[in-house]
Order: sequence, then C-alpha cells, then structure tokens
Amino acid sequence: GAVVSQHPSRVICKSGTSVKIECRSLDFQATTMFWYRQFPKKSLMLMATSNEGSKATYEQGVEKDKFLINHASLTLSTLTVTSAHPEDSSFYICSARDLGGTGEAFFGQGTRLTVV
Amino acid sequence: QKEVEQDPGPLSVPEGAIVSLNCTYSNSAFQYFMWYRQYSRKGPELLMYTYSSGNKEDGRFTAQVDKSSKYISLFIRDSQPSDSATYLCAMSANQAGTALIFGKGTTLSVSS
Repeated sequence: GAVVSQHPSRVICKSGTSVKIECRSLDFQATTMFWYRQFPKKSLMLMATSNEGSKATYEQGVEKDKFLINHASLTLSTLTVTSAHPEDSSFYICSARDLGGTGEAFFGQGTRLTVV
Repeated sequence: QKEVEQDPGPLSVPEGAIVSLNCTYSNSAFQYFMWYRQYSRKGPELLMYTYSSGNKEDGRFTAQVDKSSKYISLFIRDSQPSDSATYLCAMSANQAGTALIFGKGTTLSVSS
C-alpha cells in the first residue's frame, strides 16, 4: 500500500524553541494532507488540513500562528510548532489520502514531541 | 450525538477467540469506511477499506458495513497476542481530500 513517511519520530526540545515535523507521501501525490494530534489513550484530533499551494485550513481552537503548516509540493507538508511550551508535548501524526487510488488514507509513523 | 461512536473498551479475549469491533455513525452521507490498527506510540495502520455497504475479507479480518443501520463492524478470527492494539474506525462522505472522521478507538488485549 501507499506509504507516508513522517520525520522525526521523536524530538525533545527546550521551551521557547521551534520544531519542524515533515510529512512525505512516498509513492503518490497528495494535494491535501492532514495533521492530527493525539493525547495518551485518546483518539486522533484533527488540527488542520494542509493544501498544496495554498493556506492550510485550521480546526476551531487550533492556533494557526502557533502551528505553522507549509505544503510546498505534492509530496511534502511540514508542521512547525513555534515557541513550543510543555503543554505542546504530544503525539503528532500526519495523513494523506491516495486520490489516485481509491481514496484510502495513510498515516505517518507519528512524532512524539516533548518540550522541556 | 457524536458523528461516530465507538466503545473504547478495553476488550480482553483469549488467544484464538473471534473478536467483534463495532462503530455506529449518524451521517448518512458517509460512504467510505476504514479500520485502522494502532500500536502504542505508532501511527495508525490501515487494515481494511470498504466503499458503501457490504463485506470485505482479508485473511483473518472481515469488515462489514450496514448503511441502512449506520453500523460497521470489524471481525478478527483466530485472534493472536500480536493483535493487541487500539482499533479505530474512520469514515468520510467522499473520496476527495477531506479528513476522516474517527471513532475514539477500542483497546483490544489478546492473552496467550
């Protein structure tokens, strides 16, 4: 099946710094990618929809200036957590739907962010 | 009422048992249905994908969709300890670039 690669898988950063997470679709083009956040033992919470060549669409309650999304190509979207704080510590997961196939959604491996 | 309801469990079964996981939904426009398996600290892995109503089988896994009842199921036959994970149902109304709506996930534990 299609593969979505997410990097890094784990990152620890100091409070106040920024962290960039990359999401790549390896064998299909994704005009749209999705960023989720997952708290322990909770389901995935959609943060934003990343659109290639245009601005991302953020879900209610998600700060767009805090979570910067750039979808510069048909295979790459990035999420930058700016001025990170301990409450931003979470598991972040990206997803893309294979529109050239039958529309299945594939997920990256996730990024465990810890802000100290 | 939430769009997708899924009993979070936990569900504990002995090895070899048949497991039944279910979700109900309220949006009659949903047509694409997926089941994901998620191990701790990993991204969700697509298990089954079904369009509209009907059954789909893949190895020990069978997915069923009953659109008239707005009810989907995932059956796992001959369950193994390696099946212990969280299972998430997900669905959407269209194939285009829209995000999936997820259930909360059911935590399954298969004991040897």
